[in-house]
Amino acid sequence: QQQVKQSPQSLIVQKGGISIINCAYENTAFDYFPWYQQFPGKGPALLIAIRPDVSEKKEGRFTISFNKSAKQFSLHIMDSQPGDSATYFCAANPGGYQKVTFGIGTKLQVIP
Amino acid sequence: DAMVIQNPRYQVTQFGKPVTLSCSQTLNHNVMYWYQQKSSQAPKLLFHYYDKDFNNEADTPDNFQSRRPNTSFCFLDIRSPGLGDAAMYLCATSSGFSGRGSYNEQFFGPGTRLTVL
Repeated sequence: QQQVKQSPQSLIVQKGGISIINCAYENTAFDYFPWYQQFPGKGPALLIAIRPDVSEKKEGRFTISFNKSAKQFSLHIMDSQPGDSATYFCAANPGGYQKVTFGIGTKLQVIP
Repeated sequence: DAMVIQNPRYQVTQFGKPVTLSCSQTLNHNVMYWYQQKSSQAPKLLFHYYDKDFNNEADTPDNFQSRRPNTSFCFLDIRSPGLGDAAMYLCATSSGFSGRGSYNEQFFGPGTRLTVL
């Protein structure tokens, strides 16, 4: 059972455009929602994360929007660059060191 | 720099021949995780250690074992690799602070790409 649903699975965006990736979750015990960025042949790296007590978090060109009532969250990449081309995983876990549940991943390609 | 190191980066083994993958960390984290990631899929947790306490995921095959001799090192043993075990194996660590509402970022190593012939 996929507890974190992620879409789209692939995304092509022109340089300078906005990339948007959406995730939805079911488990109301989830308390921490990180996004990981993974380049080919590398391990995932934490990009940005949010707690459900805020509706938005922004770090540079990356913003998470969080809707607790709808159990949805999304990643927005402003002014997308070719260097942003990677696979992005949303994730959720109930806090602490408990198991992280990953979404299926979105392969983003930013074209010049 | 504090980091998670995996060796080797690439491992080729024969069908049925035992193989061991290594992970070390300089972060002094309490928790170490092993994930399996197949092409175009999300990482799948196999098991994790909190200090010396081993936690196996229910659907992890018995073919996969792990050892953590000390805080810094953790090993993944695949007793009889099958063709379906070819994947990227990721080691990750986290501090292990489990207070309510704590973030617990996982730091991933670069992975070991396993090929089974």
